[in-house]
Amino acid sequence: GAVVSQHPSRVICKSGTSVKIECRSLDFQATTMFWYRQFPKQSLMLMATSNEGSKATYEQGVEKDKFLINHASLTLSTLTVTSAHPEDSSFYICSAIYEKLFFGSGTQLSVL
Amino acid sequence: GIQVEQSPPDLILQEGANSTLRCNFSDSVNNLQWFHQNPWGQLINLFYIPSGTKQNGRLSATTVATERYSLLYISSSQTTDSGVYFCADLEGGKLIFGQGTELSVKP
Repeated sequence: GAVVSQHPSRVICKSGTSVKIECRSLDFQATTMFWYRQFPKQSLMLMATSNEGSKATYEQGVEKDKFLINHASLTLSTLTVTSAHPEDSSFYICSAIYEKLFFGSGTQLSVL
Repeated sequence: GIQVEQSPPDLILQEGANSTLRCNFSDSVNNLQWFHQNPWGQLINLFYIPSGTKQNGRLSATTVATERYSLLYISSSQTTDSGVYFCADLEGGKLIFGQGTELSVKP
């Protein structure tokens, strides 16, 4: 079946550094991928829709310069959290559609 | 936009018990889906159920679109059923999630 691979699963970084999270569709091509953010004990909030070969579409309130999304190929989308701060600590999840929605395993970001 | 409410917010079951989770929505839904997030964060798509009833093993789901609700039934619960169950509507290409029901199944 279709698999979405997300890497890394966990990252701890110092405040001010940038962190890149990768989302790959392993056995299908995904022209569109989605990035979600989830705080503890809360629901998933859509951050942005990543479109292959074009600019991402960001949800209201999501800082484009803080969360850089690149979808350079049909199998890879990346989310870069720039100049990370403790308030950016969260669980980030990507997803892609292949007949139905598949999710990556998520990335737990902790900014010290 | 559409509002999705789930109940109960938390549920503790003894292994083997049955349960019903509910999802209410504020407006018409066309692409109602149920997901399970395990304790490690992985999300699995359980059902795509815009209307009617579907069953998959011990799980089944029913959506009554005209009354704007959906139900997820878990029978003979197992400890591996623990986690958070979300319903969501795919609206304009985006998934709108409810707040989830956190299920804990005790051995």
